Amino acid sequence: DAGVIQSPRHEVTEMGQEVTLRCKPISGHNSLFWYRQTMMRGLELLIYFNNNVPIDDSGMPEDRFSAKMPNASFSTLKIQPSEPRDSAVYFCASSHSGSLYEQYFGPGTRLTVT
Amino acid sequence: QQQVKQSPQSLIVQKGGISIINCAYENTAFDYFPWYQQFPGKGPALLIAIRPDVSEKKEGRFTISFNKSAKQFSLHIMDSQPGDSATYFCAARSGSARQLTFGSGTQLTVLP
Repeated sequence: DAGVIQSPRHEVTEMGQEVTLRCKPISGHNSLFWYRQTMMRGLELLIYFNNNVPIDDSGMPEDRFSAKMPNASFSTLKIQPSEPRDSAVYFCASSHSGSLYEQYFGPGTRLTVT
Repeated sequence: QQQVKQSPQSLIVQKGGISIINCAYENTAFDYFPWYQQFPGKGPALLIAIRPDVSEKKEGRFTISFNKSAKQFSLHIMDSQPGDSATYFCAARSGSARQLTFGSGTQLTVLP
């Protein structure tokens, strides 16, 4: 039973480069969440989708960040251009409407921007 | 008003001891309070959750105590084990909202 799948697991890039993080939610889940985790700010919700539609993107730090969910089984989080302060672990989580309470998190992508 | 305040930031407990992590909230619309456990290199995973219509929920060695009037809830880990060493997050959700508001996390270390 596959959980939430994220790729890549680790990403090292130089400042100014474009970074794309990918997520495959659990099959049948209709809500998807992107989080960012840092020591300083903890776990922050960036954006969430319901039925592939962005519902709340108020956590997206700035215009350099964008997220898409073209279908129920795939989402991307893009950072362009990347900056050193974007270095963090980015998590994707999914849930289904029958269990609004429990979010299933992926293993995360550790992003380092040098 | 959307914040959930969590304490302590870190906690060290001897094996067999009781670990207690506290959270407080302001938003009275919150109606679901889960706790998530995160091991290094992994994503958070749901540990236990409670609704405000009960004052306590117990699952094995893990217990949530809930005080609605004080707007506080806590996680108690009885007979703490080294394998419990992880970061614990409290969270809260309001109504039909799908998003959770997370606390800042508590890094628990259980010494052997």
